[in-house]
Amino acid sequence: GESVGLHLPTLSVQEGDNSIINCAYSNSASDYFIWYKQESGKGPQFIIDIRSNMDKRQGQRVTVLLNKTVKHLSLQIAATQPGDSAVYFCAETITGGGNKLTFGTGTQLKVEL
Amino acid sequence: NAGVTQTPKFQVLKTGQSMTLQCAQDMNHEYMSWYRQDPGMGLRLIHYSVGAGITDQGEVPNGYNVSRSTTEDFPLRLLSAAPSQTSVYFCASKDRVYTDTQYFGPGTRLTVL
Repeated sequence: GESVGLHLPTLSVQEGDNSIINCAYSNSASDYFIWYKQESGKGPQFIIDIRSNMDKRQGQRVTVLLNKTVKHLSLQIAATQPGDSAVYFCAETITGGGNKLTFGTGTQLKVEL
Repeated sequence: NAGVTQTPKFQVLKTGQSMTLQCAQDMNHEYMSWYRQDPGMGLRLIHYSVGAGITDQGEVPNGYNVSRSTTEDFPLRLLSAAPSQTSVYFCASKDRVYTDTQYFGPGTRLTVL
């Protein structure tokens, strides 16, 4: 999910379909990754995280996949609902060494009824 | 718990004015941080604190000051506001310095004319 200028990449899905949001991260030394959801007018909300010793982690209706070879993360949302409409950010950090989260530019998910 | 709270929600300043954005958390978190979010971009770290009396610079610290006199509060000061500081500001906290899940406040939307 890289953005150009002021426009966020947008993913439009039908209610009930599965959504896949992608993110390319920048630092090969990063070992902890987080997905955040941000609804309009609100702060980012933690969804799911994954450490670099894993390649997949599942939560409730969400799955995060990590491919360290190509520095790629994806967030899969099953049975997408209208309440899932938001901007989704991935963030990367180095555990214990950095207190800095580096955020991607975000992807706008729109759920159509 | 109220979580992370921020005041004000909205603010308009003229160039050269000063103001303080307030942030408080009632979770006894050691780590607190300030981010700014600009259109089409992810969040960028301004300053952070690993505990009372300790602060450090993030990615974009210029034009901002912080202090951490108590565990609960982490105010962000703009000494001489500039139009480039027009942004949405988020405060975040996490339990311990070396855990990585941050919890965000609702944000302050600042416009500098």
